[in-house]
Order: sequence, then structure tokens, then C-alpha cells
Amino acid sequence: DAGVIQSPRHEVTEMGQEVTLRCKPISGHDYLFWYRQTMMRGLELLIYFNNNVPIDDSGMPEDRFSAKMPNASFSTLKIQPSEPRDSAVYFCASSHGQGKAFFGQGTRLTVV
Amino acid sequence: SQQGEEDPQALSIQEGENATMNCSYKTSINNLQWYRQNSGRGLVHLILIRSNEREKHSGRLRVTLDTSKKSSSLLITASRAADTASYFCATVTNRDDKIIFGKGTRLHILP
Repeated sequence: DAGVIQSPRHEVTEMGQEVTLRCKPISGHDYLFWYRQTMMRGLELLIYFNNNVPIDDSGMPEDRFSAKMPNASFSTLKIQPSEPRDSAVYFCASSHGQGKAFFGQGTRLTVV
Repeated sequence: SQQGEEDPQALSIQEGENATMNCSYKTSINNLQWYRQNSGRGLVHLILIRSNEREKHSGRLRVTLDTSKKSSSLLITASRAADTASYFCATVTNRDDKIIFGKGTRLHILP
């Protein structure tokens, strides 16, 4: 298995633009997590899915953020409109049950 | 909100020495996990210890869990330059399936 695949690896966008981050979890995993990492706030859980259903989105900072998981092999995190304070590294991770999580390489987002 | 808190925030030791990092958490857990993150990379899972376990080993790693004190420690023996990274503890509670991370310990192994 290729592991968790995220795209793009780097994204630079202008304030106000829509940003879409993509994630392909490991096949067979039933949990998918979206995290945001910054120096100030560390690794924050934004939202997680179980069997494609969003379970807890209490970490999503604002209505500008939305996430979907249309099927077991794909998820998106969308920011619309983006702001400079959204600049961070966004990680997707997947797991089977309450076991260990496998992380993607992350998307480094810069909003200018 | 963060469940786990690592201590120390940063640690520098000589190659060959042992490194110990601690993690404290707030609520009862199903399991506790330790991860490593090299600069600019994703997190890599190291070890998982369940709430009914007290100690676990994996190669040069030793993890202990004290549920009465709500704390865990990660010991890396005979450290190597390649162990330089940030180390995070993460908890899964009995209430839900979220994996919540602490802010991590930055470990630097000096040659």
C-alpha cells in the first residue's frame, strides 16, 4: 500500500481564494482525520470521519472550513474564502478502529 | 483542545545517552500512542499502549503508562543522531475515537 496520499504537497494562494486539499486514505481503514499544524497551536484535530460519516467537526475553526468524504477512498478539506491566518501544514491520517494512525506527508498551505 | 502535554518541550543529549520524555493527560483513556515527526514530514507511529497495560517495548523504545497518575513516559535507549525529531504523545479516550495530540518534545541528539 502506498500509504496515505495527500495533494497538493504545497499550495500558495491569495487571500480570498478557495483552497481544496485532498486525501486518499489507506484502503480498509475506517477512520479518517484532518489535522492542522502550526508552531503556535501545535497539531489540532479539525474533523474526523468514521465509515465516511463526519463524527466530530468541533475543531473546524470557522464556517469557511468544510470537509467531505464522498467515499471510502477520498476526502477533501475546503477553505473558502482563505485568509493569511489559515497558513499551516494540513495533515490527513487514517486508521483502523482505535489503532495507530497513518499520516500523509501533509499539505503546506501559504495564504498571501 | 489538547489532551496530552509533553515534558520537556525540548531536550538535547549526547549520542549514546538515553532520552526520556513524559506525557500527562487529563481524562480516562482507551489507549495512548507515541509518534515521531522529522522536520517537514508527516508523523510516524512508534508504539501504542492500552489502558490495561503498564509497559511496552519496541526495539530501543520503552513506554510506560501509569493510569493512576494519568501519565506516560517514552524512553529511547542508546540514542543515535537519526533519533533527532519531535516526539508526540496522543490519546484515544473511552468517550470517542478522536486521536488528540500534545504539543510534542523536540529531541536533539548531539554528535
